[in-house]
Amino acid sequence: EAGVAQSPRYKIIEKRQSVAFWCNPISGHATLYWYQQILGQGPKLLIQFQNNGVVDDSQLPKDRFSAERLKGVDSTLKIQPAKLEDSAVYLCASSLAAGPTYEQYFGPGTRLTVT
Amino acid sequence: AQSVAQPEDQVNVAEGNPLTVKCTYSVSGNPYLFWYVQYPNRGLQFLLKYITGDNLVKGSYGFEAEFNKSQTSFHLKKPSALVSDSALYFCAVSPDTGRRALTFGSGTRLQVQP
Repeated sequence: EAGVAQSPRYKIIEKRQSVAFWCNPISGHATLYWYQQILGQGPKLLIQFQNNGVVDDSQLPKDRFSAERLKGVDSTLKIQPAKLEDSAVYLCASSLAAGPTYEQYFGPGTRLTVT
Repeated sequence: AQSVAQPEDQVNVAEGNPLTVKCTYSVSGNPYLFWYVQYPNRGLQFLLKYITGDNLVKGSYGFEAEFNKSQTSFHLKKPSALVSDSALYFCAVSPDTGRRALTFGSGTRLQVQP
């Protein structure tokens, strides 16, 4: 089966610019996650969707980050305006359903550099 | 709030020797525990998980992990390391109730020397 697809793979922007990342989960997976992985740290959950509804966005910096999954399939994560500390790898993952008993499958990530 | 500690930034082992990557956790209630591996320029790959039952969990590529409730540990092990096992390994935990998002440790880089 096809894995989780993400684009772009790399992005370099200047601070205060905006950027958007795209994720296409595995077909049939109802749950989609966005993680931020700063160099030298483990991934940190930003937002979790169940179909097209938000389940958990408690760690999403809502003043600058937004995400949507309008049709319950692919998703977009946006940062506006970007700060230097947003430099990280943004990982998308999907699972068949919500809950830790369901394995999460990760995409290759988008590496963002903010200068 | 839950947390995961991986006390070693890097583990070095010779090919053919056994390896252990350590993980301790803190969580309210019963834990769900996971190991993921990350190869360069690739996403995280699931290795194994502990939900309930037998404390020794077997996973992909010959890896296994032992759940120890009294020591709140979930160490990753392999009897005989391969050079191709060299990668970044992450331990993660989720509680069995409430907000069940995964919390990851900071990762341990495993280097297997030929």
